[in-house]
Amino acid sequence: DSGVTQTPKHLITATGQRVTLRCSPRSGDLSVYWYQQSLDQGLQFLIQYYNGEERAKGNILERFSAQQFPDLHSELNLSSLELGDSALYFCASSKFDAGLAGLTGELFFGEGSRLTVL
Amino acid sequence: GEDVEQSLFLSVREGDSSVINCTYTDSSSTYLYWYKQEPGAGLQLLTYIFSNMDMKQDQRLTVLLNKKDKHLSLRIADTQTGDSAIYFCAESLYSSASKIIFGSGTRLSIRP
Repeated sequence: DSGVTQTPKHLITATGQRVTLRCSPRSGDLSVYWYQQSLDQGLQFLIQYYNGEERAKGNILERFSAQQFPDLHSELNLSSLELGDSALYFCASSKFDAGLAGLTGELFFGEGSRLTVL
Repeated sequence: GEDVEQSLFLSVREGDSSVINCTYTDSSSTYLYWYKQEPGAGLQLLTYIFSNMDMKQDQRLTVLLNKKDKHLSLRIADTQTGDSAIYFCAESLYSSASKIIFGSGTRLSIRP
């Protein structure tokens, strides 16, 4: 158990809908990262927050948004869903900011939220 | 640019050594990592190497870094069935947009 909690574990929805994925980081971790894992794209970095502020953005679509709340949990909002958004969405956390995460060398991953868009 | 590439599949015989390769493009990488993903689970850090090192050994795992060629490898000695997983190479970029970028993962399967 990594200490990172993601909900829901599984979600099935229809095209055009909107969903929210939730992540609770490990106790004491200030950084939260979101990744998308799909069969054809591998593990794609979406976005990172550190202590409530957005720190880095990857290949995140405009239809997607995220935020980190004062209690450090994070939510990833996916809207106007398309079939191609079906994937496993991972949240990871670390104590330090991404560049400094290298000092500890580790991201702690949740078990992921599997989204299926029909 | 930021890109980490790995081959998608590797099959080895139980007891043999497995070598998983990775290439990266960003020379500003500070740390390079190997993560393991077992079925139905998130990724877990296996080992990491600082960019000014050439080699790191940790029990059955050996990491080799060729910074000139931007090539990273993970060798698993005496491969066991429990080593079956997807192995991800990742780099930490300490730049204006600090990120940790993962490769697509190499699925390691073990045959008896």
